[in-house]
Amino acid sequence: GAGVSQSPSNKVTEKGKDVELRCDPISGHTALYWYRQSLGQGLEFLIYFQGNSAPDKSGLPSDRFSAERTGGSVSTLTIQRTQQEDSAVYLCASSPQGSTDTQYFGPGTRLTVL
Amino acid sequence: AQSVTQPDIHITVSEGASLELRCNYSYGATPYLFWYVQSPGQGLQLLLKYFSGDTLVQGIKGFEAEFKRSQSSFNLRKPSVHWSDAAEYFCAVDDGGSNYKLTFGKGTLLTVNP
Repeated sequence: GAGVSQSPSNKVTEKGKDVELRCDPISGHTALYWYRQSLGQGLEFLIYFQGNSAPDKSGLPSDRFSAERTGGSVSTLTIQRTQQEDSAVYLCASSPQGSTDTQYFGPGTRLTVL
Repeated sequence: AQSVTQPDIHITVSEGASLELRCNYSYGATPYLFWYVQSPGQGLQLLLKYFSGDTLVQGIKGFEAEFKRSQSSFNLRKPSVHWSDAAEYFCAVDDGGSNYKLTFGKGTLLTVNP
């Protein structure tokens, strides 16, 4: 079956612009996660959605970052007023429920802020 | 807060040689531990996981890992490396109690020489 998909695969933007990154989880998965992978920093947790519960936003690095999940499926990560330090690969994952052993990752969106 | 250390940034081995990738964690209780692999342009794929029980766990693609509480380690091993194993490997630990938030190491890049 189809895996997690993310779009765009690459995004180049200018400092100060807003960007939107999209994630389509595996159909039927109730949990969705966003991670950021920066050069030399490994992966860091950003945000977690589970069903209709309030999301865990504890990993968002600043108030310029926000995410929503519409209809319990597709999710959009928005970065406002992008900065050069936002350049990274943004990974999305989904799982049947909120359990760490079944996270399936998408290929990521590589964001470059000039 | 817990942390995960992968001491080796880059390892090079010859095809057919054995492999061991190191992972140390800092966490008070018994953690949930994971190894993921990321091939170029691909999302992360779960190799294996440890939750409890037998401290030697088997994973996909011929990999295994051993949990050693006394050393706070969860090293990944493979007896004979194939060229297709060239990738980046990430060790991760569950954020104790959250049951969904993973803390990753910074990764080890594996190069396989013919």
